[in-house]
Order: sequence, then structure tokens, then C-alpha cells
Amino acid sequence: DGGITQSPKYLFRKEGQNVTLSCEQNLNHDAMYWYRQDPGQGLRLIYYSQIVNDFQKGDIAEGYSVSREKKESFPLTVTSAQKNPTAFYLCASTQSAGWTEAFFGQGTRLTVV
Amino acid sequence: AQSVTQLGSHVSVSEGALVLLRCNYSSSVPPYLFWYVQYPNQGLQLLLKYTTGATLVKGINGFEAEFKKSETSFHLTKPSAHMSDAAEYFCAVSDRTSGTYKYIFGTGTRLKVLA
Repeated sequence: DGGITQSPKYLFRKEGQNVTLSCEQNLNHDAMYWYRQDPGQGLRLIYYSQIVNDFQKGDIAEGYSVSREKKESFPLTVTSAQKNPTAFYLCASTQSAGWTEAFFGQGTRLTVV
Repeated sequence: AQSVTQLGSHVSVSEGALVLLRCNYSSSVPPYLFWYVQYPNQGLQLLLKYTTGATLVKGINGFEAEFKKSETSFHLTKPSAHMSDAAEYFCAVSDRTSGTYKYIFGTGTRLKVLA
């Protein structure tokens, strides 16, 4: 079945550590997105990528980094520079045109301990 | 840049009552509009979308939404609420900036269904 897989589902990070969240899709979609979700704030865009080897900062990119070396993969690294990383992270993908809907993974809940 | 406003972060309805979740957008051009539903600790699932054509859009689980350009609104309705409708609902608009598309989401409305 086609879809988006995020791993792990739960992740714990010690302060000062970098962690990488995985996102893989087999939908052959061109565009991929990372969102952060906090209670009462909806989804905020971190980074997005329309094609391989290219990506753009979203509204809250500080403290995060991404890569897009393969069409199906868009990993997100939460660096130690991100001061408040505890949140629910969602990965999505779409065909590049804006009239198609975004397909979402099941999310990764990151907690700083 | 476009934006989306969802009025009411929490809405409660009785089982069998009408569900109305409000969404307004800001856009100077015809937008692409979406409604998603999220169950606890899960990703978002598409309920329905408006691109072009008929302004009344029907989605899954008995939901529908009407695009009203004059009011810049895209409110979500369901005639009769079911307990399984309890979830968080997000309105979204597709925004084209510098030749690329990104999706702008509202802050969400949590729907509670009372027995």
C-alpha cells in the first residue's frame, strides 16, 4: 500500500543532543513537508521540498535541518539549537501542484528529557 | 501570504445535532481549500477539498463544506453528529509563493460530541 511512514513514533532526547526523524513515502510525490504541532497552535511549517536536492525554509526553521537526497526520503534533524523541541512532528507529501491534497504520516512525538 | 482563521478552538454538540465548524481565509486569488480531521496521536486525514467548480463539496463520513467567495469562507457541516466524529479538525489553504506551493493550516477546532 502506498503511504508515508514516519519513525520512530516516540522519541526521547537529552538536552544538547541532535536527533533525526525519519520520513519515507512511496507515493512518488514530488513535494514533501515537515510540520510541528503544538496544542492550540495548529500546524506550523518547518521545511518543505519541491524536488530532490532542493528545499526551502518554512515559518519556524531555526534549530532544524533537512536533506532531500532521494525523492522518497525527507529526514528532519532537530538540533541542539532548537530551544523548545518537545512537540508532535508531522511529515506530509503531495504532488507538486497545489490543488492536490497533502498525505500525512502518523507523526513522531519528540520529548526532551 | 495567505492565512486561515478557524473560529472556536473548541466546539461541543449533542449526538444527532448539527455540526458547524467555521473557517475563513484571506486570499486575493481563488484559493484551493481543504478540511482535515485528526484523531489523537495520529496524522491528518483529508475530509474534503475545493479546487474549482461546484461550491458545495461533499466529503467522507457525511461532511460537506461550501465555498463562499463573497464571505471568504469555507465552513464545514454535518447534519447529524456521531460520537465517532469527536476529533480535531483543521482547515487549510494552498498558497503559491515564488512558484512553489505550501499548505497553510488554521489552528484547529476540537469537536466534542455529547451523548
